[in-house]
Amino acid sequence: DGGITQSPKYLFRKEGQNVTLSCEQNLNHDAMYWYRQDPGQGLRLIYYSQIVNDFQKGDIAEGYSVSREKKESFPLTVTSAQKNPTAFYLCASSPRGDRPPDGYTFGSGTRLTVV
Amino acid sequence: QKEVEQDPGPLSVPEGAIVSLNCTYSNSAFQYFMWYRQYSRKGPELLMYTYSSGNKEDGRFTAQVDKSSKYISLFIRDSQPSDSATYLCAMSASKAAGNKLTFGGGTRVLVKP
Repeated sequence: DGGITQSPKYLFRKEGQNVTLSCEQNLNHDAMYWYRQDPGQGLRLIYYSQIVNDFQKGDIAEGYSVSREKKESFPLTVTSAQKNPTAFYLCASSPRGDRPPDGYTFGSGTRLTVV
Repeated sequence: QKEVEQDPGPLSVPEGAIVSLNCTYSNSAFQYFMWYRQYSRKGPELLMYTYSSGNKEDGRFTAQVDKSSKYISLFIRDSQPSDSATYLCAMSASKAAGNKLTFGGGTRVLVKP
């Protein structure tokens, strides 16, 4: 079945550590996204990529980094510069092209906790 | 002020009742409107998609968009306990796929048997 796989489901990070969240899709989608979800705040865009080897900052990119070396993969690194990283992280993908934005597919998320 | 406002709830209704959800927004450029359902600790799934103003119906779900008032609604008829979830509205200004979405904060809905 086509879909998006995020791993791990739960991740614990010590203060000062970098951690990387994995996101893989087999939908042949060109665009991929990372969102952060905090209670009562909905989803906020961290980074997005519309094509391999290219990505743009979203609304809350500080303290995060990404890479897009393959179409299927869009890993997110939460660096030690991110002051409040405890949150639920969601990866999404969508087809690219001159189409309406109704093709978003989300992964099941990774819950990151700083200990 | 947030670009998209949504009452966080929780909204508690008895089984079989109509659930009424809404969002207001400030950006007049928004023209694509979506409702997502999110179960606890899961990713959101698309429920309804609407372009510009008007109504759209799909089974027990009806989405309404009033661009003149910058107000969108989702109605769930004959609600079931399985409808208990958080409902997120989302909006976009561009037709191009791959354009980022702006989300409301979500409304938590509880349908009691």
